[in-house]
This record gives sequence, structure tokens and C-alpha cells, in this order.
Amino acid sequence: ETGVTQTPRHLVMGMTNKKSLKCEQHLGHNAMYWYKQSAKKPLELMFVYSLEERVENNSVPSRFSPECPNSSHLFLHLHTLQPEDSALYLCASSQDSRGYGYTFGSGTRLTVV
Amino acid sequence: QQPVQSPQAVILREGEDAVINCSSSKALYSVHWYRQKHGEAPVFLMILLKGGEQKGHEKISASFNEKKQQSSLYLTASQLSYSGTYFCGTSFWGFSDYGGSQGNLIFGKGTKLSVKP
Repeated sequence: ETGVTQTPRHLVMGMTNKKSLKCEQHLGHNAMYWYKQSAKKPLELMFVYSLEERVENNSVPSRFSPECPNSSHLFLHLHTLQPEDSALYLCASSQDSRGYGYTFGSGTRLTVV
Repeated sequence: QQPVQSPQAVILREGEDAVINCSSSKALYSVHWYRQKHGEAPVFLMILLKGGEQKGHEKISASFNEKKQQSSLYLTASQLSYSGTYFCGTSFWGFSDYGGSQGNLIFGKGTKLSVKP
């Protein structure tokens, strides 16, 4: 248990489906992140929330929609995805984003069919 | 502004040493090092802030050369448990806010380390 919990661990969805990924941390951290990890590619930053306010949207397509209802929870809403969106989606949190290490969740392995 | 890691992969025998490098074309504020084992989450190893400091964690240590805009991770007397992919993450902001990004990490492609018995 890393302190950051992601559900589900695996998800298979069709291109017309709508699904959500959930991330939860009870570490008292103020910043939360979504990263995408594809095969043979580096970890790609998608979204950053600091104190529940989105501070970064790294040119991510609108079919990905984040939501941060409170400092402990982060969601990634998915709709009309493409097969190339299949990847491991990692959530992370940190005390804040200036000089503290990140704690990663175990990720959601997403397959779009 | 993705940092460049080298080598891409390295194979060691138990007890051997290795160095993994991470370099940036842009001035760095901090460098993070993580290790990820297959099917698991990346695990934080250490962070180095600008100032040229060196840090240690068991037999794993790292240095940060601000002038050269690079960091190196040193693994000494490697153990089987050191196997995994090592990522460096770099940030470019200082303590003052820049009205947006606050030092978010950009990761390198990783270095796959395999330690054999």
C-alpha cells in the first residue's frame, strides 16, 4: 500500500463508453497529479491540482476531463476514447510541488477497444 | 524539455556498480529519482535541489551539478532488488510562484537496470 489508492486496477472500455478513474490519498498532501505511461514512452504529465485548483493542463485532449472535489480525491473522466489512449494512468500526490517527492499510486491499466 | 537519460539499459552482476545520468538543456531547479519495478508504481528515491548537493540512500546516492544541468545516480554493490527502471524527473521553477506551474516534474524515458546473480 503506497498511500495513494487508484481504482480500478484494470479497465477495458469501448470507444463510445464513459468511465471514470479514481484516485484517493490520505497523506495530507496538497498537490495531486495525473500521469500517462505508455509502452516505451516517458511518464507524461496530464493534469496538476494544487489545493483543489487545477494549475496545469498539459495540452490534453478534451476526451479526458479531471475533477478534484477535495484535497484527498482526484478523478479522471473518460469519454469517446481512442485505441491510442490505452496506457497505464498513474495518479501521484506530493506535499506541494516545490521540492517534495511524489507518492504514486499503482495505476489503472486502461485498454480501449 | 524532457531530460535525457543514459544509458537506456544496463545489465549488472550482483555486487557491481552502475551510474545513471540525467541531463537537461534547460536550467534545473530540482531533480527527482524514482525506481519502478515491472507492474508496480514508481517509488521515490531522493530529490536534489539546486546547489550541487549530493544525497545518499543506503548504497544509492546521487549528485546534482547545477552548472552542467545534470544529475547522476550511483548504485554501488548492486543487489538483485535494485532491478527495475530508473526515472529522473526534473523541474524548472524556484520557490517563487510563476502564476501557473509550480515545479511540476517532467520525466526522462528511463534506464532499465537488470541485476543478475
